[in-house]
This record gives sequence, C-alpha cells and structure tokens, in this order.
Amino acid sequence: ELKVEQNPLFLSMQEGKNYTIYCNYSTTSDRLYWYRQDPGKSLESLFVLLSNGAVKQEGRLMASLDTKARLSTLHITAAVHDLSATYFCAVDGGALVFGAGTILRVKS
Amino acid sequence: NAGVTQTPKFRILKIGQSMTLQCTQDMNHNYMYWYRQDPGMGLKLIYYSVGAGITDKGEVPNGYNVSRSTTEDFPLRLELAAPSQTSVYFCASSRVNEQFFGPGTRLTVL
Repeated sequence: ELKVEQNPLFLSMQEGKNYTIYCNYSTTSDRLYWYRQDPGKSLESLFVLLSNGAVKQEGRLMASLDTKARLSTLHITAAVHDLSATYFCAVDGGALVFGAGTILRVKS
Repeated sequence: NAGVTQTPKFRILKIGQSMTLQCTQDMNHNYMYWYRQDPGMGLKLIYYSVGAGITDKGEVPNGYNVSRSTTEDFPLRLELAAPSQTSVYFCASSRVNEQFFGPGTRLTVL
C-alpha cells in the first residue's frame, strides 16, 4: 500500500528566508505532483515531476524528484507573504495518494 | 471551457438523509475522480471512473455510490448520511499527467 509522508506539517517562515518541504513515499512511482491550496479553495497544480532527477522551477518555488530515494522536495527561495498556503504532494500509484499537507505561513 | 464544475457549493444534511453531489467536466476526459478532504488532512479517493459505464472503488468508498452514464458527468450519491461524512468533497478529471479539480462541495451532516 502506497503511503505518502510530508514534513514538516506546519512551517512558519520569515519573509526572505529559504526553506524546504519534504515528501517521502513508500513504493515505486515515477510520477509525483505538487499542489497549492488556499483556505476554502480548490487545489491548484504547481508541478508534475515525471522522472528521476526531474527539477522544475516556477518563481520562488523549485521542485525535484529522486525516485531511487522515493523523495521529492519543494524548495522555497526568499519567501514572500503571498506564498502562504497549504502545499500537498501526491504520488501516482495507479490513483493519486496525497500527503497530509504542509501549512506554510510567511510572516513579514 | 468551464473545466470541472460541482454543485452544490454548500449543503447541510440531517443524519439519515440522502443527496447527490453533481460533477461535470467539459474537457472530454475519460478519467474522473471523487475525493474527500477532512479538516487538516490531504485528499482521500472515494471512487474513480476510467470512462462511461466503468467505475471502481478508491480508498474510502463506504457510504457512497457513483455512476457514470456519460463522459461529462460523474455524480456521487450519499445514502443515509452520517456525521462521519462531514467533509469537503472534490471532483477531478484528468488527462495524461495532470488532474483538474473542481471547486469543492462543503457538506455538513448534523
């Protein structure tokens, strides 16, 4: 059974700082997704990572995938308040299995 | 394109009542999904469909039923609502390597 673990579950950051969210999963998969969710809203797709070593960047966010370690990271560079949201990783195990989410609060 | 639409946005049910959550997509996707999201948690798959007439159970199917008579529509039926079904329900459809989520239905069972 595929299990997906994210850490940390809650992250409070100062603006301008860097940090990384980790997503570990338990069985082999070549597809991993990152989503953003604002309070009371639906999920917004951020990244789709399709192969070992994949790296994608959009603005202050960069995601990477290491399929051998079964690990994906979401790196935040020079955080700004607008990045405050909940971030989910999801792994394709036939159907998507989601992590519990990381609540990110960026303080000015 | 409207994408994935869901109705209603909010609903309060009494224990034992039934209701149908509607989901429609206009992207001609074969794959459609129903998830539930409990407070502070990720999404859990209830049911999914790989095409009209084909549905299958996900991780948490108990208390729910689905049907898929057309490519566009994938309704979720709750029979005999229970407080444990209080949640936010998301419908999604997918093409290769990307899922598109609807806005969600917030359901409270009292």
